[in-house]
Formats: sequence, C-alpha cells, structure tokens
Amino acid sequence: GEDVEQSLFLSVREGDSSVINCTYTDSSSTYLYWYKQEPGAGLQLLTYIFSNMDMKQDQRLTVLLNKKDKHLSLRIADTQTGDSAIYFCAERKAAGNKLTFGGGTRVLVKP
Amino acid sequence: DSGVTQTPKHLITATGQRVTLRCSPRSGDLSVYWYQQSLDQGLQFLIQYYNGEERAKGNILERFSAQQFPDLHSELNLSSLELGDSALYFCASSGAGTGTEKLFFGSGTQLSVL
Repeated sequence: GEDVEQSLFLSVREGDSSVINCTYTDSSSTYLYWYKQEPGAGLQLLTYIFSNMDMKQDQRLTVLLNKKDKHLSLRIADTQTGDSAIYFCAERKAAGNKLTFGGGTRVLVKP
Repeated sequence: DSGVTQTPKHLITATGQRVTLRCSPRSGDLSVYWYQQSLDQGLQFLIQYYNGEERAKGNILERFSAQQFPDLHSELNLSSLELGDSALYFCASSGAGTGTEKLFFGSGTQLSVL
C-alpha cells in the first residue's frame, strides 16, 4: 500500500538483533501491527501497538512507535533461522477496521 | 493455527471462468475481511462484512462479489476471470467488542488463472 512503506530486504546473522522499519502517513491511525508470513503460509499476527503507546515488549519482540515521525519499528532480539520470513507492518485507520499493509520486508537470517 | 479456515487451498482455472472461495471465521468472530495478495499490488483490501452486512469496500472489482451467511461463513465469488486475477486470496476475521483490534488471517487460497 502506498500509505505504508517498508524497506524491501534485511539480512542478519543468527544471534544478532534485527530491526525492521516502517513509515505510515495517517496520523489518525489507531493501531499499528506487525505480521509475519512464512513461505506458503498465511499472515501470522506477531504483535500490535495502540497509537497512544511508545513501546511494547513481548518476549523477543520490541515495538517502538514514534507518532511525531509516523515511524514504527520491530526489533527481534537473538534472531533465529526460524525468523526468516516476510514481515508486514499495517495500520488501522480511525474510520473502519480494515488494515492497510506495507509491501513487506524480507528478512534473511544467516547462520 | 489462527482458527480461520479457507478452502480450497489451491484453485486452477481458465480465463472467463467463475470460482467461489470460502472462509470460516474464528469461532465467535463477527467480522470477515477479504484481501488479495499479488506480486505487483501487494496486500490489497477487498471487502469487509460484519454480522452479515457489508461494512467496508476496498479495491474490489465489479466482477468480484462477496457475502456473509447467517452462520458467519463468507464466500468470495470471482467471475469472468482474467490472467491478472491470479493471486493469493486471504480471509481474516476479528471479534466483537474489545477483540476488534486483532485480525487473524487464514492460510489463503492460491488462485491460478491459465
């Protein structure tokens, strides 16, 4: 989607931290999401953050939200080979429940 | 397992044909969403239903239609198929009340139009 942008590719070594970035344009977005898609599979909801929060941590995942810059990031600590996948960020606007997705970031974890 | 079931997993058909994709939402979820994923367009929202009623419409072609039945399952009908309709079609569902912020996706139907 044009409203949500992500870099295309990220390569990281196993055990390092990964940081995936996303920018969005709608300041009225209520929730922002991170989904993971493995080859041949559907979209798995990893985590989400309410727009009035700055940070959310869930085990190895940390989401940071900068509302002023409309920037969202997902940090994966101790990245494993099983984390290799495409990661999508998405925004939910104030009006309606549909999500608008970014183009996805392909993360490749090297042993 | 998200709890959202889509059938069939794969569908191969010819141009000009009509197909129906089926989705069963998670137990208790009232909203169903349809998305199309293609290489050139990414993930595009098509349509949303809530408890049997159309709630929101996205970039859905006139050749496509959907409905949600009283048992809350949904069907997406694609007609006069073209090569460009080849894509992965996802269904998602969300709950009512405090559960509406989370959308859970099925594993998709891969449509190939030859």
